Amino acid sequence: QVQLVQSGTEMKKPGASVKVSCKASGYSFTTYYVHWVRQAPGLGFEWLGIINPNTGITKYAQKFQGSVTMTSDTSTSTVYMELSSLRPDDTAVYYCAREAGPGGWFDPWGQGTLVIVSS
Amino acid sequence: DIQMTQSPSSLSASVGDRVTITCRTSQSIGSYLNWYQQKPGKAPKLLIYVASRLQSGVPSRFSGSGSETDFTLTISSLQPEDFATYYCQQSFNSPRTFGQGTKVEIK
Repeated sequence: QVQLVQSGTEMKKPGASVKVSCKASGYSFTTYYVHWVRQAPGLGFEWLGIINPNTGITKYAQKFQGSVTMTSDTSTSTVYMELSSLRPDDTAVYYCAREAGPGGWFDPWGQGTLVIVSS
Repeated sequence: DIQMTQSPSSLSASVGDRVTITCRTSQSIGSYLNWYQQKPGKAPKLLIYVASRLQSGVPSRFSGSGSETDFTLTISSLQPEDFATYYCQQSFNSPRTFGQGTKVEIK
């Protein structure tokens, strides 16, 4: 079945970087864009950006320009999201999600990766 | 950025009730509106895409309607497994934005 499996919980200190992976299976990896979204505890969703896994072309939310980097590895069907200069308010669950059709809906989502930023 | 206003933010309902959640966008988005269900500790699950199309495997008691700036998610007969938080999301442009969520609780 179509599936996105993310890496595990990360604990980081302020100022550090974190790299989260998202491994795709069950579909043609290079055919579908992948988005990254985060959800801070008890709050709503915030979109970080999108990557074309085939070309590596990315588009980032303005807020995260300069701090987020998304990459893809077609040999392992994995996309990565790296966030640098972490602050405590970056503490959130980070999700990858496949853009499943021309209407842009997200399906499926990865299971989420909790990133905790604390000194 | 397109602002999403979802209402209500929470509601209490009984099994068998008809539930309606609305989502209003700050600009016209055609039918580029999707609905997701999220349960505690879980990733969101797609229910409805492009305003009114039911995702495969989702029960037919869920339906979506609307266009341009006003959209509705309806649960025709609430079931115990439907108690969750529901989010709308626009896919008209980037940045993709989400409503703040509607938490459906047991009365």
